[in-house]
Amino acid sequence: EPEVTQTPSHQVTQMGQEVILRCVPISNHLYFYWYRQILGQKVEFLVSFYNNEISEKSEIFDDQFSVERPDGSNFTLKIRSTKLEDSAMYFCASRQGDGTNEKLFFGSGTQLSVL
Amino acid sequence: AQSVTQLGSHVSVSEGALVLLRCNYSSSVPPYLFWYVQYPNQGLQLLLKYTTGATLVKGINGFEAEFKKSETSFHLTKPSAHMSDAAEYFCAVVALGNQFYFGTGTSLTVIP
Repeated sequence: EPEVTQTPSHQVTQMGQEVILRCVPISNHLYFYWYRQILGQKVEFLVSFYNNEISEKSEIFDDQFSVERPDGSNFTLKIRSTKLEDSAMYFCASRQGDGTNEKLFFGSGTQLSVL
Repeated sequence: AQSVTQLGSHVSVSEGALVLLRCNYSSSVPPYLFWYVQYPNQGLQLLLKYTTGATLVKGINGFEAEFKKSETSFHLTKPSAHMSDAAEYFCAVVALGNQFYFGTGTSLTVIP
């Protein structure tokens, strides 16, 4: 089965530093997502991306966050100035978006630790 | 608006016993419903989904779920629990737009 891949698997950073989390969605997928899961809490939607622009974003996705699809394969999440409360597992996901298959494929996540 | 409620943040069953994880949703339009499983230190993996058609859907690892519109429920079941089923289970709904709404998760413990 095709996979969404995320790198790195673990990222440790100092508070105030910028981090970039990387994702390679499945090649023929058109919709891309970032979710996060703070330890012990539920999976939270951050942002969805389609046709090279943000289609939806949550309240969590403030000015500190940005997403980009710099080439035909990567989909990145940037946090400009990390805060302690940004520590979480970040999941990338994608789906085909052809209307016949709504299965969302998730990556294995990047564990972000902000010290 | 859409939302998902999972009753019971922790469920413990004996090996070989029935597994029942509850999920109720609210949606103003017919939803798509999903169950995902998360094993320790891993990402989310799709167990099964309901889109249209048959209301009883079968998934991987012997799990199944039934969509009951009258009860706005999509409970997950497995007739006989296995030790390897121990994980976190998330119910999710998507209706309008592209956003998936997840429940808070249910942690399943299987007792030998």
